[in-house]
Amino acid sequence: SQKIEQNSEALNIQEGKTATLTCNYTNYSPAYLQWYRQDPGRGPVFLLLIRENEKEKRKERLKVTFDTTLKQSLFHITASQPADSATYLCALEADTGRRALTFGSGTRLQVQP
Amino acid sequence: DTAVSQTPKYLVTQMGNDKSIKCEQNLGHDTMYWYKQDSKKFLKIMFSYNNKELIINETVPNRFSPKSPDKAHLNLHINSLELGDSAVYFCASSRELGIEQFFGPGTRLTVL
Repeated sequence: SQKIEQNSEALNIQEGKTATLTCNYTNYSPAYLQWYRQDPGRGPVFLLLIRENEKEKRKERLKVTFDTTLKQSLFHITASQPADSATYLCALEADTGRRALTFGSGTRLQVQP
Repeated sequence: DTAVSQTPKYLVTQMGNDKSIKCEQNLGHDTMYWYKQDSKKFLKIMFSYNNKELIINETVPNRFSPKSPDKAHLNLHINSLELGDSAVYFCASSRELGIEQFFGPGTRLTVL
């Protein structure tokens, strides 16, 4: 069966360090993968999309990698700040054509000042 | 403000009642969605509409009926509410199906 796995344990890091979050998937062949941020009591906010033919994508302090062989995406936040504390969700297209996104359960990031 | 808005923010009701949640987007997007986020924080697609046409209808009980009067609105009507319907419901929209979705603030539904 299709599965998206994100580390359910919270990630605690010190301000200024690089946070790395992992998204692993099985039985998907996604054309692209997306990352969203969700703060408590709010809706998810789109951050980045990376396509299957892209190895890496950057946006300001954010970097996403996509390895279709390993079936894994890594999400990095460099020079992390307490304001980066949130839950980060990865999302994949469930099956090509329908464009229905399936979300992972998210990893909570806590950046300590 | 350009955004996706939902009303109400909170909805507390008794089992068996019928309720509606409204969603509006002023982003000019063609596609709108309804998601359910349960207590374990899994976000699951329920429906998507593209240009007022139903595109995705996941295995959702037929007590749930979406209605799209125009491209900017997608309302969710729920009949005969059950305890298991308690969750946060998010509306979202996007310019293109599946990609870069903008989410509303959510409606927390509590069925007693």
